[in-house]
Amino acid sequence: KAGVTQTPRYLIKTRGQQVTLSCSPISGHRSVSWYQQTPGQGLQFLFEYFSETQRNKGNFPGRFSGRQFSNSRSEMNVSTLELGDSALYLCASSLATSYNEQFFGPGTRLTVL
Amino acid sequence: AQSVTQLDSHVSVSEGTPVLLRCNYSSSYSPSLFWYVQHPNKGLQLLLKYTSAATLVKGINGFEAEFKKSETSFHLTKPSAHMSDAAEYFCVVSAGEGNTPLVFGKGTRLSVIA
Repeated sequence: KAGVTQTPRYLIKTRGQQVTLSCSPISGHRSVSWYQQTPGQGLQFLFEYFSETQRNKGNFPGRFSGRQFSNSRSEMNVSTLELGDSALYLCASSLATSYNEQFFGPGTRLTVL
Repeated sequence: AQSVTQLDSHVSVSEGTPVLLRCNYSSSYSPSLFWYVQHPNKGLQLLLKYTSAATLVKGINGFEAEFKKSETSFHLTKPSAHMSDAAEYFCVVSAGEGNTPLVFGKGTRLSVIA
């Protein structure tokens, strides 16, 4: 069974631009969660989607948004990029609820210049 | 509300010696607890999980953890460290009910010296 895949793996953007990251969960998993990982703040929860509905949201500004498609694939978008958005963005999928075992993708490394 | 505290940001051990990574948690409900490992430039991999069954949980690669409710701890141990164990380790708590997100500790970086 294929694992969680994230594209692209690396991305370089400039301040003010927007970016879209993609996540394909493990087949059959309906829950997709997104996390931001930085050296200073560690792993912070962004949001979770289940059956195309946002079920939980972390404490991030409205510039961070996401969606989930009917095939459970998910995208997250960051608009008006800031230098502080540079981070590793991790996607995780699980069967049903977010407190089930989560399977993580390799992440997308976003650098904002 | 739930929280998790990893007591050491960095642990260094010699190859072949025991590993102890400490984690304390706080949860209003009976928690589910996890340990994840992250190798450089990789995603997180689940090492083991506790979900109110046996208090001593065995995981992959020889790791195990013991859930101690009286001490609100979930320390990770391994009898003998291997060079390949060098990585970042995260202790994670979930409320175990509802759809509350996982809460991650700040991580403990394990270094293994030859």
